Amino acid sequence: EAGVAQSPRYKIIEKRQSVAFWCNPISGHATLYWYQQILGQGPKLLIQFQNNGVVDDSQLPKDRFSAERLKGVDSTLKIQPAKLEDSAVYLCASSFSWSGDSPLHFGNGTRLTVT
Amino acid sequence: KQEVTQIPAALSVPEGENLVLNCSFTDSAIYNLQWFRQDPGKGLTSLLLIQSSQREQTSGRLNASLDKSSGRSTLYIAASQPGDSATYLCAVRPSTGANNLFFGTGTRLTVIP
Repeated sequence: EAGVAQSPRYKIIEKRQSVAFWCNPISGHATLYWYQQILGQGPKLLIQFQNNGVVDDSQLPKDRFSAERLKGVDSTLKIQPAKLEDSAVYLCASSFSWSGDSPLHFGNGTRLTVT
Repeated sequence: KQEVTQIPAALSVPEGENLVLNCSFTDSAIYNLQWFRQDPGKGLTSLLLIQSSQREQTSGRLNASLDKSSGRSTLYIAASQPGDSATYLCAVRPSTGANNLFFGTGTRLTVIP
């Protein structure tokens, strides 16, 4: 089974620029998550989708972050404009269903550096 | 709000030693608890998952315990090897609300050959 795919692996941008990350979940997984992991910290949920609908975006800085999953499969996460404190690894995860019995599978992440 | 803490933040041990990593959480209303491994530049690999009704889970040299009432879990690694060097994260899933994970800050383990 192919895992969660993310691209790019690395991205370096200057502050105030925009950036987009892409995630392709495991085939058949209805639930998709974006996590932000700042160096030395655990991952923090940014947004959760169930198919193409948003379940939880309470910790997403909506003034600069946006995410979509238009066809209920791939997802993109965008930051515009970026700030220095956005430097982090952005992890995408997917699970088969909403159920607590459904484990999360993580991609390798995109490491963003904002200078 | 659920808070997850891991102690110590970093640990170095000689090869062959047994070791224990600690995880504590503030809200005992959890569905399950999971231990993950994270290698540099990589995503998270699930090691063990303990349901809230269970006390422990074992996989090879790894044993995870859960004491839900006291808000604690431990990950025991027997006969450590250099290949065990990584960051270990614990995460709890709340028993209500969205299927989400709350992570600790991790313990960075170095096993010295």
